[in-house]
Amino acid sequence: AQRVTQPEKLLSVFKGAPVELKCNYSYSGSPELFWYVQYSRQRLQLLLRHISRESIKGFTADLNKGETSFHLKKPFAQEEDSAMYYCALNNAGNMLTFGGGTRLMVKP
Amino acid sequence: GAGVSQSPSNKVTEKGKDVELRCDPISGHTALYWYRQRLGQGLEFLIYFQGNSAPDKSGLPSDRFSAERTGESVSTLTIQRTQQEDSAVYLCASSLSLSRADEQYFGPGTRLTVT
Repeated sequence: AQRVTQPEKLLSVFKGAPVELKCNYSYSGSPELFWYVQYSRQRLQLLLRHISRESIKGFTADLNKGETSFHLKKPFAQEEDSAMYYCALNNAGNMLTFGGGTRLMVKP
Repeated sequence: GAGVSQSPSNKVTEKGKDVELRCDPISGHTALYWYRQRLGQGLEFLIYFQGNSAPDKSGLPSDRFSAERTGESVSTLTIQRTQQEDSAVYLCASSLSLSRADEQYFGPGTRLTVT
């Protein structure tokens, strides 16, 4: 069975500080991993996916199969990054398994 | 076009009553998903539809929960004899197809409060 773990429920950093949101997964197949974000009073939306190896809003995430991790990183956090972040795993087709979410608070 | 819409946005009901939550997916999206988000917790997958068919109902929390979809469009999630632990935000999402489950578009959710 697949599982996604986000060990931190809340992460608080100051503006300009680096931020890393942790995500670990367990899955027997070849995983596809994603980060979703939910800003205050907005819908949950896709932030980035590991297969595209893209940087969105300054965020990057690298899939580390050895450590079964997909941590989300940004070198300099901004106040507008404050949101709820969910790591998700696609089990080859029909559903996403989400982690418990991490609330990021970026203080001025 | 419009994104995924859900109604009502808020629902307060008394324990023991039945409720129906509605989801209108993006037009042309054949796959539809329901999730539950309890306060302070993550997203809990409930059920998905491919077309009008829901092949796996094991994610539904109890037999008080049921869901249907008609016309490969609107879906309703019904909770019978609601309990206080059913209080949560119920999110609906849709994707072009099941093979595009990675790119789900979410609705704004229905906040259900059972008193």
